[in-house]
Amino acid sequence: QVQLQESGPGLVKPSQTLSLICTVSGGSISSTTFYWSWIRQPAGKELEWIGRVYINGNTNYNPSLKSRVTISRDTSKNQFSLKLTSVTAADTAVYYCARARYMDVWGKGIPVTVSS
Amino acid sequence: EIVLTQSPGTLSLSPGERATLSCRASQTIGSTQLAWYQQKAGQAPRLLIYGASSRATGIPDRFSGSGSGTDFTLTISRLEPEDFAVYYCQQYGSSQTFGPGTKVEIK
Repeated sequence: QVQLQESGPGLVKPSQTLSLICTVSGGSISSTTFYWSWIRQPAGKELEWIGRVYINGNTNYNPSLKSRVTISRDTSKNQFSLKLTSVTAADTAVYYCARARYMDVWGKGIPVTVSS
Repeated sequence: EIVLTQSPGTLSLSPGERATLSCRASQTIGSTQLAWYQQKAGQAPRLLIYGASSRATGIPDRFSGSGSGTDFTLTISRLEPEDFAVYYCQQYGSSQTFGPGTKVEIK
């Protein structure tokens, strides 16, 4: 079955760029049925949708993060990625990738801390 | 942006009881594009319901969803010990947003 796995640094300095990759196994990211999304969750808080990418490269972002977010996909590696610029402590969270539109497959999540 | 409100914030019930969770949208959600998730501590969310009322693969039939427009409900007919968790609704009709969650705790 399809599985997703997040990877990337667990610690990012303030003002720098957070970069994460989601690797898809057991299925193709080139499917026209699904979007591929990023979601985050600060400790003890609710889920926040960050954005999504479709196989043709079209993207949609959360308006509150749009100016700092880029989501892209690499079909040759069956991966999609997240870049979040100018991070602050408020960006500290567990970051999840998921297959969308309703999110039926999730990665396990990767904790990211923004701290100097 | 569609804002989702969930109530109650916390639901205190005993195993075997019925749980009724509410999700209200600030605008009509087209084509019932509303999903429900369960999240336990330290785990990723798990899809329970999509399309407002369709159970995801492997989800027990004690979980049911209903509603349309702006008002949606998740019902757990008889709570099992493993059902005590946080539940989120999500709309995917206009971009995507999540509700703030309802915690179902043991009374």
